[in-house]
Amino acid sequence: AQSVTQLGSHVSVSEGALVLLRCNYSSSVPPYLFWYVQYPNQGLQLLLKYTTGATLVKGINGFEAEFKKSETSFHLTKPSAHMSDAAEYFCAVSPTNFGNEKLTFGTGTRLTIIP
Amino acid sequence: KAGVTQTPRYLIKTRGQQVTLSCSPISGHRSVSWYQQTPGQGLQFLFEYFSETQRNKGNFPGRFSGRQFSNSRSEMNVSTLELGDSALYLCASSLDVTGANVLTFGAGSRLTVL
Repeated sequence: AQSVTQLGSHVSVSEGALVLLRCNYSSSVPPYLFWYVQYPNQGLQLLLKYTTGATLVKGINGFEAEFKKSETSFHLTKPSAHMSDAAEYFCAVSPTNFGNEKLTFGTGTRLTIIP
Repeated sequence: KAGVTQTPRYLIKTRGQQVTLSCSPISGHRSVSWYQQTPGQGLQFLFEYFSETQRNKGNFPGRFSGRQFSNSRSEMNVSTLELGDSALYLCASSLDVTGANVLTFGAGSRLTVL
């Protein structure tokens, strides 16, 4: 069975500061990894995903994440926070084998940007 | 191309009633998944449909049901509504059911049960 843990349900950073949102997964084999963002009163939007290849993945809005197999982590970063980054962020995992498991989400991290 | 469309966006029901929510996936997408989002439980998987067949079902009571039509549109139904069913119900579509596929979400249907 797979699971994902997001450390910190709330994160606050100053505008222009580094954003770091943490995600660790548990899976018998390395899964596919995703970060989604949800703005108020909207659905989820894909930020980036890791399937194979380069472990540093670049996404939209200046975000990137690095897959570290040894640490079972997929942390999300952005060098300089912008007010528009305020939202809830979800890490998710999906199995690489064609089975009955589905996309599993973490509990989310609400990001607040301090002006 | 048009995104995932969910209707209605907002609805209010009373306990004991039933509700049907609709989801129209992106054209060409054959897989539809449903999630329930609440402040306390986060995003919880309800079901997944592919080619009119339910592939997966989450840990929800039988009051929650769904179906998918030949045009890939999907509906979910909740019968005998309880206060705890108040939530944002999100539908997502993808090309198929392989794990690498990205889910594209609709804006959700916000259900309030009084």
